[in-house]
Amino acid sequence: DAGVIQSPRHEVTEMGQEVTLRCKPISGHNSLFWYRQTMMRGLELLIYFNNNVPIDDSGMPEDRFSAKMPNASFSTLKIQPSEPRDSAVYFCASSPELPRAQYFGPGTRLLVL
Amino acid sequence: GQQLNQSPQSMFIQEGEDVSMNCTSSSIFNTWLWYKQEPGEGPVLLIALYKAGELTSNGRLTAQFGITRKDSFLNISASIPSDVGIYFCAGLGGATNKLIFGTGTLLAVQP
Repeated sequence: DAGVIQSPRHEVTEMGQEVTLRCKPISGHNSLFWYRQTMMRGLELLIYFNNNVPIDDSGMPEDRFSAKMPNASFSTLKIQPSEPRDSAVYFCASSPELPRAQYFGPGTRLLVL
Repeated sequence: GQQLNQSPQSMFIQEGEDVSMNCTSSSIFNTWLWYKQEPGEGPVLLIALYKAGELTSNGRLTAQFGITRKDSFLNISASIPSDVGIYFCAGLGGATNKLIFGTGTLLAVQP
């Protein structure tokens, strides 16, 4: 079975540009999570969806970040405008139901110059 | 954000040795999870625990959900070089459905 799929795997952009990260959860999973990982702060939950509905976005750093889940098989995390401090690894994870184990994708490594 | 207390921070061992690491929390959790992360990859789920006192094995890995629901441990028996990575515990509980992660244990195995 395919795991969580994320694209792109690497992204290098300049400050001020828009960045869109994409995620395809495991088929049949009802919950989707976006995380950010940095050396300083570890893994931080940004937002999660249940049945395509955003449930908790309290971890979203600021208004420059937005996330959507238009259907059960696709989600995006957008940063506009991007800043150097947004450089991190962004993970998407999905879960068959709450509260159950979450399965992570390979991540998108974002570098904002 | 909130993190669980995980120890040790790092371990440098010889191939064939057994390894033990643990996580503690001041909060009660309903689920404990153990993940392994290798460089350039996402965390991979190793073991999921859903009941206090539960002891679960996955090959050479064994994990337990503490009776108090505030702790969990992971043991790796007869370590091999491919066990190298960072191991994270994670707790899930309460109404938030948010995973709280441990600070990680870096494991290095000398062949």
